[in-house]
Amino acid sequence: NAGVTQTPKFQVLKTGQSMTLQCAQDMNHEYMSWYRQDPGMGLRLIHYSVGAGITDQGEVPNGYNVSRSTTEDFPLRLLLAAPSQTSVYFCASKRTGGREQYFGPGTRLTVT
Amino acid sequence: KNQVEQSPQSLIILEGKNCTLQCNYTVSPFSNLRWYKQDTGRGPVSLTIMTFSENTKSNGRYTATLDADTKQSSLHITASQLSDSASYICVVSADSGYSTLTFGKGTMLLVSP
Repeated sequence: NAGVTQTPKFQVLKTGQSMTLQCAQDMNHEYMSWYRQDPGMGLRLIHYSVGAGITDQGEVPNGYNVSRSTTEDFPLRLLLAAPSQTSVYFCASKRTGGREQYFGPGTRLTVT
Repeated sequence: KNQVEQSPQSLIILEGKNCTLQCNYTVSPFSNLRWYKQDTGRGPVSLTIMTFSENTKSNGRYTATLDADTKQSSLHITASQLSDSASYICVVSADSGYSTLTFGKGTMLLVSP
């Protein structure tokens, strides 16, 4: 199993541009989520999904959109990038009823 | 407000020495507490998960303790190795779902040769 994969690993955007961060898992996990990690702060939940077709907002959802059309994929979209979205983004997944959460390697995003 | 506080913020120890990292939380209701290791440039990897009834759990040279009464946890690393250099993150869950995980800011550990 590849586990949780994320692409790209690094990305630089200009303010106002849009992009999609990709996340995929091959463990057939129902739960998937997106976090951002900023210096001096704990990971914060952006959006999460409990299964295909179901998504919900986390602690810091503004400026981000998600969709979950398949069990495997959970892309995160930035429609109008802002410098405040400069961060490291992590995708994670876990199975229903499980406590163990598996994280991807992260995407480092810089918005100038 | 649910909070997880970790100390120290950073720590430098010599290879082969032991160390203990602390985690205090005010998450309620409590479901479980996790310790993650995050290497630089990588995602967090789970070390241990403890529920209310578990007060000690080991994973190799890593031993986590939990005192649910005082809402404190510690992570003890024995005979440290250079590969232990990483950030260690304490995470407390109020239930088994996603939306109730509270992350600490982490302790940055550097093991020096």
